[in-house]
Amino acid sequence: SQQGEEDPQALSIQEGENATMNCSYKTSINNLQWYRQNSGRGLVHLILIRSNEREKHSGRLRVTLDTSKKSSSLLITASRAADTASYFCATTNNAGGTSYGKLTFGQGTILTVHP
Amino acid sequence: NAGVMQNPRHLVRRRGQEARLRCSPMKGHSHVYWYRQLPEEGLKFMVYLQKENIIDESGMPKERFSAEFPKEGPSILRIQQVVRGDSAAYFCASSPPGQGAGTGELFFGEGSRLTVL
Repeated sequence: SQQGEEDPQALSIQEGENATMNCSYKTSINNLQWYRQNSGRGLVHLILIRSNEREKHSGRLRVTLDTSKKSSSLLITASRAADTASYFCATTNNAGGTSYGKLTFGQGTILTVHP
Repeated sequence: NAGVMQNPRHLVRRRGQEARLRCSPMKGHSHVYWYRQLPEEGLKFMVYLQKENIIDESGMPKERFSAEFPKEGPSILRIQQVVRGDSAAYFCASSPPGQGAGTGELFFGEGSRLTVL
């Protein structure tokens, strides 16, 4: 299976609830990023967490990283209907000392927030 | 400041034809990446280019696919003799010099959706 796998595959919640998505990966990483994709659109960067960080916040987003378990979670608090989208984690790894944009994406979590 | 521009947004080709997808990176960005997204899947890295150089093409199929980023003009992803399995969304991303996903985010275009009949 590939680096960066998310669960659940789909999540359906009511507006105002919190949404938690998880991501697991296999190799050591430089950093982990979360992206959002609205249906039929491009990806929008949400947040980046480096391998030496454990938690990061940005507005209603909270990301955690556990390198010992090779996993990350994205929490969206007080969700809104406009948060409906697919969410992808993506990693860059240490192989060859590369630091460029060769991202390995997970399969994504489809989040639906009902008004 | 315009974002990453991709065209065409939608392209329909018959089997055996050629597809050319264009990408203009954000102003000031000299690194371009192409990714492919099959239906219901995440994105897969294809190729990384800088002006006039292919840096990493480890994700490119060995045949029929090629990419370039000339000194002037957009980056081009070219698919020759398309087959139905090439139907996908192709995304371009860019980053400024000295910065990639190792140090920051990638900026993605809206994608080009190729349908092969």
